[in-house]
Amino acid sequence: KAGVTQTPRYLIKTRGQQVTLSCSPISGHRSVSWYQQTPGQGLQFLFEYFSETQRNKGNFPGRFSGRQFSNSRSEMNVSTLELGDSALYLCASSLIEGNYGYTFGSGTRLTVV
Amino acid sequence: AQTVTQSQPEMSVQEAETVTLSCTYDTSESNYYLFWYKQPPSRQMILVIRQEAYKQQNATENRFSVNFQKAAKSFSLKISDSQLGDTAMYFCAFITHGNQFYFGTGTSLTVIP
Repeated sequence: KAGVTQTPRYLIKTRGQQVTLSCSPISGHRSVSWYQQTPGQGLQFLFEYFSETQRNKGNFPGRFSGRQFSNSRSEMNVSTLELGDSALYLCASSLIEGNYGYTFGSGTRLTVV
Repeated sequence: AQTVTQSQPEMSVQEAETVTLSCTYDTSESNYYLFWYKQPPSRQMILVIRQEAYKQQNATENRFSVNFQKAAKSFSLKISDSQLGDTAMYFCAFITHGNQFYFGTGTSLTVIP
């Protein structure tokens, strides 16, 4: 079966712009989470969605937002980009609860210049 | 505070030998799940092994096994018969009812032919 698909794979944006990243979970998976990975901060939790509802949110500024659609696909948006937003953004999906182990995508590498 | 500590930033092992990666964690939750994920250069986080905290028996998955010491909050990963394909960054993580992963900073493992 198809895995978690994240698009685009690479993205270069300018400071002040906004960006939208997409994540298509494994078919049937209803829980989608987003993580930011940087060399300095490691993997940090952004938010988690289940059946179109945000159930949990990490400690990120309001410039970071997300949503989940009825087909479980998820998008995250970052507005007013800053240089520090340069990172690998990973999406992960799970059938029900994360206790069963999330399946991760290959991420979107965002570079802000 | 919910934290994961991986005290070995880098490790190397000869092909076919055994290596153990260390991990300690801290949580006040009584019900949680522990994981080891592998991240090769392809960037995708791949689940290596998982352990339910309420189970005393250590999880095993082919060449991978864990030593779970709940009282000490220790969760080490043993890789037997190391293969070149095991070269990757390894992350220890746990998840609680909040469906949020807490990751360590990772151990970069190199398998030497």
